[in-house]
Amino acid sequence: AQSVTQLDSHVSVSEGTPVLLRCNYSSSYSPSLFWYVQHPNKGLQLLLKYTSAATLVKGINGFEAEFKKSETSFHLTKPSAHMSDAAEYFCVVSDQSNYQLIWGAGTKLIIKP
Amino acid sequence: KAGVTQTPRYLIKTRGQQVTLSCSPISGHRSVSWYQQTPGQGLQFLFEYFSETQRNKGNFPGRFSGRQFSNSRSEMNVSTLELGDSALYLCASSLEGLHLPTDTQYFGPGTRLTVL
Repeated sequence: AQSVTQLDSHVSVSEGTPVLLRCNYSSSYSPSLFWYVQHPNKGLQLLLKYTSAATLVKGINGFEAEFKKSETSFHLTKPSAHMSDAAEYFCVVSDQSNYQLIWGAGTKLIIKP
Repeated sequence: KAGVTQTPRYLIKTRGQQVTLSCSPISGHRSVSWYQQTPGQGLQFLFEYFSETQRNKGNFPGRFSGRQFSNSRSEMNVSTLELGDSALYLCASSLEGLHLPTDTQYFGPGTRLTVL
């Protein structure tokens, strides 16, 4: 069965410094992977998705993620954090055995001024 | 295009009551999925409707039910509410739904249900 693990429940960085949010997955199939962001009191927004094309995926707001099959990882990065990036981020894998999305527990990103 | 809308945004009910939540998908989207989000359990899949048929269901009791209308709008009903049903209920719409792994899910702002 597919699963996804977000390795940090909270990540705190200073404004202007790089962001790294870690995600490992387990999948029996060639996976589809997603990163979603949820700002306080708002719905979820898709940041980017990997669907077996290029392994380096660029998303909105300067975020990108690299699919590494050998490491079963799909980490999210951004070169320079902005205050508006403060939110909760979810790594998601598509489970093709039962057609459901499997969600990670989320990582809260805190930006220090 | 208008996004996914959910009504009401906030709801307070007491134990034993029932509640109906509504979701209007993006125009042209045929799939609507429902999720429950709680601090302890994270995001959990409730069910997916596609062209008025329930296509998939998560591990929730029968008190949770839903339906989809011909215009793709969907409703979710919870009967005999329990304290543990307090959560943010999110709906998501997409063109082809969860059977197409690459399809993008677009989420509404959610309905915050509080059960007293």
